[in-house]
Amino acid sequence: GNSVTQMEGPVTLSEEAFLTINCTYTATGYPSLFWYVQYPGEGLQLLLKATKADDKGSNKGFEATYRKETTSFHLEKGSVQVSDSAVYFCALSDPASGGSYIPTFGRGTSLIVHP
Amino acid sequence: DGGITQSPKYLFRKEGQNVTLSCEQNLNHDAMYWYRQDPGQGLRLIYYSQIVNDFQKGDIAEGYSVSREKKESFPLTVTSAQKNPTAFYLCASSTRQRSVYEQYFGPGTRLTVT
Repeated sequence: GNSVTQMEGPVTLSEEAFLTINCTYTATGYPSLFWYVQYPGEGLQLLLKATKADDKGSNKGFEATYRKETTSFHLEKGSVQVSDSAVYFCALSDPASGGSYIPTFGRGTSLIVHP
Repeated sequence: DGGITQSPKYLFRKEGQNVTLSCEQNLNHDAMYWYRQDPGQGLRLIYYSQIVNDFQKGDIAEGYSVSREKKESFPLTVTSAQKNPTAFYLCASSTRQRSVYEQYFGPGTRLTVT
């Protein structure tokens, strides 16, 4: 079956530090990969996505590259802000599985950014 | 603006009562989903529906029920059989764009049962 593994949090950083949140996956087919962000008390929002190998998704200064050879989709940001404090979820959607419309989510990684 | 609406934001119930959480979308999406989120936990799928009048159980359907009579609406009932119903409930919808299913989430309903 499909699975997504994220690094455990919380990740605690000072403002302007570099961020990496690791995400690796296993999938039956050739999945699309996503990062979602959840701010406190809210629903999830799509942050970025990539649909094929070597694609780079980017949004709001965040980036992630689809690495098929290492089955990874690590999230990075060069300089975090206090407003980036949230929980980040890595997810995949696998067209090879019968229910490709049902994504597989990681457990989420909490990011805390201090001023 | 298109989006997903969940109401209410906060809901309080006494133990033994059934409660229905509302989810409405105006995105014209075919698929809709209900997830449960507990503190420090990821998302767990309760029910999902790909088309009107059809839905399937997810990983933790016991104690919950749903209906899908309209494309726009997917209400979730938390029954008295659900042993630990206090949680944050998220509704989502998706549609296929170039073979990619991308989910859109509502703001969530926080249910507290005492």
